[in-house]
Amino acid sequence: QLQLQESGPGLVKPSETLSLTCTVSGGSISSSSYYWGWIRQPPGKGLEWIGSIYYSGSTYYNPSLKSRVTISVDTSKNQFSLKLSSVTAADTAVYYCTVTTTPGWFDPWGQGTLVTVSS
Amino acid sequence: QSVLTQPPSASGTPGQRVTISCSGSSSNIGSNYVYWYQQLPGTAPKLLIYRNNQRPSGVPDRFSGSKSGTSASLAISGLRSEDEADYYCAAWDDSLSGCVVFGGGTKLTVL
Repeated sequence: QLQLQESGPGLVKPSETLSLTCTVSGGSISSSSYYWGWIRQPPGKGLEWIGSIYYSGSTYYNPSLKSRVTISVDTSKNQFSLKLSSVTAADTAVYYCTVTTTPGWFDPWGQGTLVTVSS
Repeated sequence: QSVLTQPPSASGTPGQRVTISCSGSSSNIGSNYVYWYQQLPGTAPKLLIYRNNQRPSGVPDRFSGSKSGTSASLAISGLRSEDEADYYCAAWDDSLSGCVVFGGGTKLTVL
C-alpha cells in the first residue's frame, strides 16, 4: 500500500523558490507502473495539476506553470521533489503529492502541506 | 475559470439521488477518460470514479459515473450525511501540449 508524505517550508518569501519533497513508502519510486505528481489547491479554491514525473526522469508540466516548475526524482531516497520559482501570493496553496498511473488518475494522495507566500 | 465546468453547489436529503454534472470539450472529456474525486472537509481528495464509470475497491456502489460526448456525470444514490463533501471531475486535455484539467468543484450539502 503506497503512502506519501509531503515535507518542506510552510512559509516562502515572494520572488523566492518554493521547494517541497514527497517521501514514498510501501513501494519503490522506481516502479515502472507509476508516475509521481504534484497538485495544489489555493485556500477555498479548486484543484490545479502542477506536473508529473516518471522514475526515468520524463516530466509533464502544466503549461501555465511550466516556465517556473521543476519536478525531480531521487531514487536512492525514494523521494520526488517540486521546485516552483519566482513565487507570488497567488502560489499560496495546499500542495499535494500523489501517484498517477494514467493522466487524471491520482491515487493515493499525501495529506497535503500548506505553503504560504508572504514577506 | 476552470476548463471543466461543474455547478458550484448541489444538495439533497438523506436517501435521495443526486447528480453532479461536468461539462468539457472535444479535447478533454470528448476524447479522454473522466475521473471523479471526493474531498471531505479538511482532508486530501480521494479517487471516487476512474475511467468514466469504474469504482476503486472500497467505494460504495451508491456512487456511479457516466459519460456522454463532452459531458460526464456523477450520481450518488441513497444519499447519506457522510457524503457531504466537495466533488471534482478531472480529465486529460489534448490541447495546450497536454494537461490534466479539473472542474471547479461542486459542494454537496446533505440537508
